[in-house]
Amino acid sequence: SAVISQKPSRDICQRGTSLTIQCQVDSQVTMMFWYRQQPGQSLTLIATANQGSEATYESGFVIDKFPISRPNLTFSTLTVSNMSPEDSSIYLCSVEGQTYTEAFFGQGTRLTVV
Amino acid sequence: AQSVTQLGSHVSVSEGALVLLRCNYSSSVPPYLFWYVQYPNQGLQLLLKYTSAATLVKGINGFEAEFKKSETSFHLTKPSAHMSDAAEYFCALNSQTGRRALTFGSGTRLQVQP
Repeated sequence: SAVISQKPSRDICQRGTSLTIQCQVDSQVTMMFWYRQQPGQSLTLIATANQGSEATYESGFVIDKFPISRPNLTFSTLTVSNMSPEDSSIYLCSVEGQTYTEAFFGQGTRLTVV
Repeated sequence: AQSVTQLGSHVSVSEGALVLLRCNYSSSVPPYLFWYVQYPNQGLQLLLKYTSAATLVKGINGFEAEFKKSETSFHLTKPSAHMSDAAEYFCALNSQTGRRALTFGSGTRLQVQP
């Protein structure tokens, strides 16, 4: 299994500012995923990040709002830019284990925008 | 397109009673199916997974689920609920297509009454 460390675990931010969330994995992985979980809702995929290529964003999510970096096979960052209260959510990093058959999740970053 | 439907956003059972959380899926190809549990202020923990081996899958904490292709279902059960089972439960699917992220159901919050 993969152990994922996500930082920060929570933050309270002012509207209009940006927050960068870090995701560190204890092993090399090809694909990393970023999800958003809005209050009381399920998980929605934001984007898929492969090392060495641009992230692939899902419908409704754009790079200017959620830029992602993937500098190596164990690390990724998600930035939530120009935040508004609607961005208040839990953001989770996930990695794939054996192809299609496993997915591991970080503890999440609980973001509150005021 | 693939989808996951969880029937019942809230389920309440008495301690010691049977737990049944319902999950139905839609996929054009044979899916891999997962149940995750999320305790308050925590990330997601894998309970169990179906990856086309045995249709009855046993997981952690006494949970099990049965894959029924004819009913496109993957319901989660536990014979006797414990207070510590109170949490949010998510059913998820991966249909082995180009998209390798999970598709999640809307979640079911399980309450266990003393």
